[in-house]
Amino acid sequence: GNSVTQMEGPVTLSEEAFLTINCTYTATGYPSLFWYVQYPGEGLQLLLKATKADDKGSNKGFEATYRKETTSFHLEKGSVQVSDSAVYFCALTLSSNTGKLIFGQGTTLQVKP
Amino acid sequence: GAVVSQHPSWVICKSGTSVKIECRSLDFQATTMFWYRQFPKQSLMLMATSNEGSKATYEQGVEKDKFLINHASLTLSTLTVTSAHPEDSSFYICSATGLAGGPSFFGPGTRLTVL
Repeated sequence: GNSVTQMEGPVTLSEEAFLTINCTYTATGYPSLFWYVQYPGEGLQLLLKATKADDKGSNKGFEATYRKETTSFHLEKGSVQVSDSAVYFCALTLSSNTGKLIFGQGTTLQVKP
Repeated sequence: GAVVSQHPSWVICKSGTSVKIECRSLDFQATTMFWYRQFPKQSLMLMATSNEGSKATYEQGVEKDKFLINHASLTLSTLTVTSAHPEDSSFYICSATGLAGGPSFFGPGTRLTVL
């Protein structure tokens, strides 16, 4: 079946550290891939996306590259800030309607000053 | 971005009662709305897809008679948990999509606790 696996958290980093959150997927067909972020008390927000192999999604200093050969979509940021503390969800869709998503379990990021 | 609201943000009810959760798109018309359920420290699981004016499509394993979904207008979808039991306690999240293939916007979620 189709699924998304994320590294378990919480991930705790100091400010300005390098961030990697691993995400791998299993899918029949050619999925679109997403990273969503959920700040405390708020709804999920789309952070970035990639729709085909070798695409790189980027936003707010975060990047992720769609790697078909390793079925991965790892999230990276060169220098995290305290304000990046949140829960990050990797997700995929095989539907033309991008609202029908399969999520990973989420990874909590805590950034300390 | 577009705003999706949910009401209530949390609810506590007695076992056997029914609870209605509303999902509203505040500044756009939502042709499709999705309902997800999230257990503690687990991922969001899609429960059903609802299109305005038609019956919802439920994912495998989701009881449609227990989780009634109505999408009567382009800005409102409701999820009613009928005869709720403690195992229905969870975090329910909706999302809404405007145009086909467009981005999906999420509500902040509703915490349901059944005693």
